[in-house]
Amino acid sequence: NAGVTQTPKFRILKIGQSMTLQCTQDMNHNYMYWYRQDPGMGLKLIYYSVGAGITDKGEVPNGYNVSRSTTEDFPLRLELAAPSQTSVYFCASSYSTGGITEAFFGQGTRLTVV
Amino acid sequence: AQSVTQLGSHVSVSEGALVLLRCNYSSSVPPYLFWYVQYPNQGLQLLLKYTSAATLVKGINGFEAEFKKSETSFHLTKPSAHMRDAAEYFCAVSEVNRDDKIIFGKGTRLHILP
Repeated sequence: NAGVTQTPKFRILKIGQSMTLQCTQDMNHNYMYWYRQDPGMGLKLIYYSVGAGITDKGEVPNGYNVSRSTTEDFPLRLELAAPSQTSVYFCASSYSTGGITEAFFGQGTRLTVV
Repeated sequence: AQSVTQLGSHVSVSEGALVLLRCNYSSSVPPYLFWYVQYPNQGLQLLLKYTSAATLVKGINGFEAEFKKSETSFHLTKPSAHMRDAAEYFCAVSEVNRDDKIIFGKGTRLHILP
């Protein structure tokens, strides 16, 4: 029972570098989300997708890009890493037919930009 | 747009005492409401959810929450706290039949005093 799988678990980036955070789910969920979690700020929605080929901005999309070419995968791309992107990133998925089930979360990716 | 306010970023209760974590929401349409728990260095796990059925919702680990439309609240309670309940708790909202993105509050860290 894999659920939502995120890789890597930890990463240190230098300012200006790029990377992709991987997320895959095996529950055939149509919705997928990326959140970032900063101390005392809760979870902020970066991007979400309602199905393959469809993505939309959340609350804090600047500095990130996403794609959803398949139902299973929803990678998050950081093009030019900045210290402000130091955070814990969570991917989640849910199923919706006009009212969602709960979101299932991955274990998170802890990213440090130095 | 929907939003969630959690009153108190930190709450301390004695072991065996009542736990009350407060959540108020804002939504222009009927909401779905959720409480999640996050243990240290882990992802988020669903405690309970309200999806327009019974207003008193029972969840895992002895937690429950009551949906009060007139007060726009969805407070989380547990009659008797255990040491293992020490964690961070997040309230979240989604708007029914809208784009279904899930918006989280800033979280409340629950401390259990021996």
